[in-house]
Amino acid sequence: ETGVTQTPRHLVMGMTNKKSLKCEQHLGHNAMYWYKQSAKKPLELMFVYNFKEQTENNSVPSRFSPECPNSSHLFLHLHTLQPEDSALYLCASSQKPQGGSGELFFGEGSRLTVL
Amino acid sequence: GQNIDQPTEMTATEGAIVQINCTYQTSGFNGLFWYQQHAGEAPTFLSYNVLDGLEEKGRFSSFLSRSKGYSYLLLKELQMKDSASYLCAVRDSNYQLIWGAGTKLIIKP
Repeated sequence: ETGVTQTPRHLVMGMTNKKSLKCEQHLGHNAMYWYKQSAKKPLELMFVYNFKEQTENNSVPSRFSPECPNSSHLFLHLHTLQPEDSALYLCASSQKPQGGSGELFFGEGSRLTVL
Repeated sequence: GQNIDQPTEMTATEGAIVQINCTYQTSGFNGLFWYQQHAGEAPTFLSYNVLDGLEEKGRFSSFLSRSKGYSYLLLKELQMKDSASYLCAVRDSNYQLIWGAGTKLIIKP
């Protein structure tokens, strides 16, 4: 138990579907992140939120839409995805977005398959 | 460009010692992290090095040489539960984390 909970753990969707991934952190952290993890590739940072404000969007296609209603919750809305978007989507939080160790606390991920 | 290199896969024997290397070329340096990720689970923080030298935490130690752009994670008295992927990440001058692709460690009896 890392203090970061992601749902659903597994999701299969067609290219025309709309779905959402949810992340909740119980650690009182002020920064939250979405990462994409593909086999044998480095983690890819998608979005960063500090105090509910989006501070980074790493050239992510618009078919991925993040939402951060408060500092404890983060969503990733998915629509008209492509098969190459199939991957593990990891949510993370941290206490210090800059400076110090500021290590990340990850959720267990949502395994997405796009048919 | 920025780059982190670590071996794709390593195999070691239960009870032995293994060293996982990580080399990096980044725009500046503000710390190096090691994470452990068991299959199907969340990555979990193992260590953080910002100064040169060795940091020891029980069976795990992490070493950093900033002048060489080099780190290693040393695992002693290997146990079967140490079978996992080990991720190296460097925080650059913009406080962005640059990740390696991870090293899958297989422990054999």
